[in-house]
Amino acid sequence: GIQVEQSPPDLILQEGANSTLRCNFSDSVNNLQWFHQNPWGQLINLFYIPSGTKQNGRLSATTVATERYRLLYISSSQTTDSGVYFCAATSGGYNKLIFGAGTRLAVHP
Amino acid sequence: NAGVTQTPKFQVLKTGQSMTLQCAQDMNHNSMYWYRQDPGMGLRLIYYSASEGTTDKGEVPNGYNVSRLNKREFSLRLESAAPSQTSVYFCASSDHEAQPQHFGDGTRLSIL
Repeated sequence: GIQVEQSPPDLILQEGANSTLRCNFSDSVNNLQWFHQNPWGQLINLFYIPSGTKQNGRLSATTVATERYRLLYISSSQTTDSGVYFCAATSGGYNKLIFGAGTRLAVHP
Repeated sequence: NAGVTQTPKFQVLKTGQSMTLQCAQDMNHNSMYWYRQDPGMGLRLIYYSASEGTTDKGEVPNGYNVSRLNKREFSLRLESAAPSQTSVYFCASSDHEAQPQHFGDGTRLSIL
């Protein structure tokens, strides 16, 4: 199966800063999902993004069809953005999500 | 709508005890999944059910069994708990395979 690597593993920001999270793959992927795990452990689906670019408020997710990586942009970060961001992808005929290890984000006031 | 509901939220077991984790979804989804999350790692798929009446192994199925009781409910059973199964267990559902997955709040399980 594919390998999913996320970078950076840890990120510390001041409130108001922008950031880019990256998700690398060992092979081409069919679709990608981004999740946010809040400090209470709840997992929220941020984006389901088979292709193109999606935006949801201050967050946006992009795909580059010929590249084996995906990006998540967070603009004007807030303390409530803190937590762990996971990307997960399917590849080939295997329709089950493979998760990366996550990027742990801490936003300080 | 409650979404995906998991019970219990916390549980402590002794090695060798058995236990069933319950999961129910009210979104009329076809596919359901059980994952485990260990410290510093992403989620790993234990078992899944692509549709009512079917179940299949994921990445880490050893030591677990599942039952898709009906379209709403998907349970995970530990027949003889081991300390290596200490983890946080998440249930998820999606309309179909490879569609957006929605997660329950997790069950924190400790095995002594």
